[in-house]
Amino acid sequence: ETGVTQSPTHLIKTRGQQVTLRCSSQSGHNTVSWYQQALGQGPQFIFQYYREEENGRGNFPPRFSGLQFPNYSSELNVNALELDDSALYLCASSSPTSRVEYFGPGTRLLVL
Amino acid sequence: DAKTTQPPSMDCAEGRAANLPCNHSTISGNEYVYWYRQIHSQGPQYIIHGLKNNETNEMASLIITEDRKSSTLILPHATLRDTAVYYCIVRSDHFGNEKLTFGTGTRLTIIP
Repeated sequence: ETGVTQSPTHLIKTRGQQVTLRCSSQSGHNTVSWYQQALGQGPQFIFQYYREEENGRGNFPPRFSGLQFPNYSSELNVNALELDDSALYLCASSSPTSRVEYFGPGTRLLVL
Repeated sequence: DAKTTQPPSMDCAEGRAANLPCNHSTISGNEYVYWYRQIHSQGPQYIIHGLKNNETNEMASLIITEDRKSSTLILPHATLRDTAVYYCIVRSDHFGNEKLTFGTGTRLTIIP
């Protein structure tokens, strides 16, 4: 069974640019959540997608947006990047039965 | 979401049981206690979760007090690979409100 995968592993962008991060959920999982983890802090919930619809959102501005595709993979898009967006971005997926979230390895984004 | 309180750091000798406490005095009836851990710069790893009964799996045991206001995660025979930040999280089981709210966790160091 393949776990949650994310791409790319590392990314460097400049302030004002846009970025797209990708996540493939674990087999059989139809729910994907995204988290942001700044250095030295715990992960913070961005939003969750269930069956291609947003199903809950944390305290993040609208320039953070997402998509979920029919195969349950997902994208996180961030527009107008700011220096404070530098963080580890984590994707987690869960199944309709167990609801336990399993995390991917993350994408480390550096905004210069 | 109910808040959790954990000690910022703990040490444990290799081969001994590591007991990690967590207070969640405002937990409500539909909220589960989850434990995750995060080894440096990796995605969080699910350990165990429970509602009110004690739980055990291949990784750990979870002891929840009868009033559910606190819990203890037990790693029965700690190894050096158990060195990580451990997060205790209280999570609702209501659809659409299942986000994981991470605090700062307990940094567990296993001493050789």
